[in-house]
Amino acid sequence: TQLLEQSPQFLSIQEGENLTVYCNSSSVFSSLQWYRQEPGEGPVLLVTVVTGGEVKKLKRLTFQFGDARKDSSLHITAAQPGDTGLYLCAGVGSWGKLQFGAGTQVVVTP
Amino acid sequence: SQTIHQWPATLVQPVGSPLSLECTVEGTSNPNLYWYRQAAGRGLQLLFYSVGIGQISSEVPQNLSASRPQDRQFILSSKKLLLSDSGFYLCAWSVPTEWGNNEQFFGPGTRLTVL
Repeated sequence: TQLLEQSPQFLSIQEGENLTVYCNSSSVFSSLQWYRQEPGEGPVLLVTVVTGGEVKKLKRLTFQFGDARKDSSLHITAAQPGDTGLYLCAGVGSWGKLQFGAGTQVVVTP
Repeated sequence: SQTIHQWPATLVQPVGSPLSLECTVEGTSNPNLYWYRQAAGRGLQLLFYSVGIGQISSEVPQNLSASRPQDRQFILSSKKLLLSDSGFYLCAWSVPTEWGNNEQFFGPGTRLTVL
């Protein structure tokens, strides 16, 4: 079983600060997805990274896929309270099955 | 547009009672369907997935079962609930894929508490 480890488990920062969340695996994934989940709701896809070394930007969010396609990071610049949520990375397998990490709970306070 | 529904939204059941959670998808045909369970504030564990009517694959042996009686209907069941079955159950669908990066669209979830 391919395991995805996310760090840190919890992150509390002030509005305007930057933060980085990490997702690491001992195995190679063909692609990796990042989701954000609000309390009591299902996760919503933020981005899919496919190519080793790929960098994708979504407004203030920057996603990077490691060269060896075993790790990924999510960087948020100038965090806002609306960025609060559970950030989940997921490795994509056959039949679209997702292997999720345990998640990083991000809290941004005004 | 596609939508995914789950019900009930919340459920409190005694240990040993049966369970039936339903998920339906609208606006798409022959989707891949998935059931996940999530512990409080943690990641999602894939329980079952289905690529077609009557086709169910179990990822984790346990007290639960799944069925797909219609193309866009996915049901999660148990004959006798255990305390450890408590959690947040999420249904998801994706465009049919054998190997792809298709987005999974999640339903609103069912919060199950077993007492």
